[in-house]
Amino acid sequence: QVQLRESGPGLVQPSETLSLTCTVSGFSLTSYGVNWVRQPPGKCLEWMGVIWGDGSTAYNSLLKSRLSISRDTSKSQVFLKMNSLQTEDTAIYFCAIPTQGYWYFDFWGPGTMVTVSS
Amino acid sequence: DIQMTQSPASLSASLGETVTIECRASEDIYSNLAWYQQKPGNSPQLLIYDANSLADGVPSRFSGSGSGTQYSLKINSLQSEDVASYFCQQYNNYPPTFGAGTKLELK
Repeated sequence: QVQLRESGPGLVQPSETLSLTCTVSGFSLTSYGVNWVRQPPGKCLEWMGVIWGDGSTAYNSLLKSRLSISRDTSKSQVFLKMNSLQTEDTAIYFCAIPTQGYWYFDFWGPGTMVTVSS
Repeated sequence: DIQMTQSPASLSASLGETVTIECRASEDIYSNLAWYQQKPGNSPQLLIYDANSLADGVPSRFSGSGSGTQYSLKINSLQSEDVASYFCQQYNNYPPTFGAGTKLELK
């Protein structure tokens, strides 16, 4: 059965780099694009980027200069790195996949909260 | 980017009532629209895709409609487990974008 789970540091200092991992099971990373979506407290969902089944990536232009998504297929893990973090990057970070289309997400991880604070 | 405007921002309804949530896109999205339900502390769950197709396992009291720039989610016979926030998402244009959400509470 398809499962995704995010993991990360919880607290990050301003200006530092965020590193998150999405560990998946029940499917191969070469089958679906793994997307990252974030949600600041009480606010709207924001699509961040995707690593497709073929390993290519696409990023939200608003984050592109700071964001990198990669993967290790042997470990069924997808990695998000985002640098120069600011307080407005405080959010719940989700990984999600579309198994039926390309851009609507029918499986999500539970999310991991990241707080940017000194 | 396409802007998605949801209304109302919050909604209070009674058990058994029918509720409707609206979503307006800043340009035609050709029914490439999804609706999600998010309960507090949980991740979003897909309810509707392609504007009117019910996702697997979603109760039939949920339905979606619309075309062009105007879309709606209807919940018939509101149940207590429907208390949640609801988000629309367009995927006609890159990047996919979400509405700000509608918080549904029981009256």
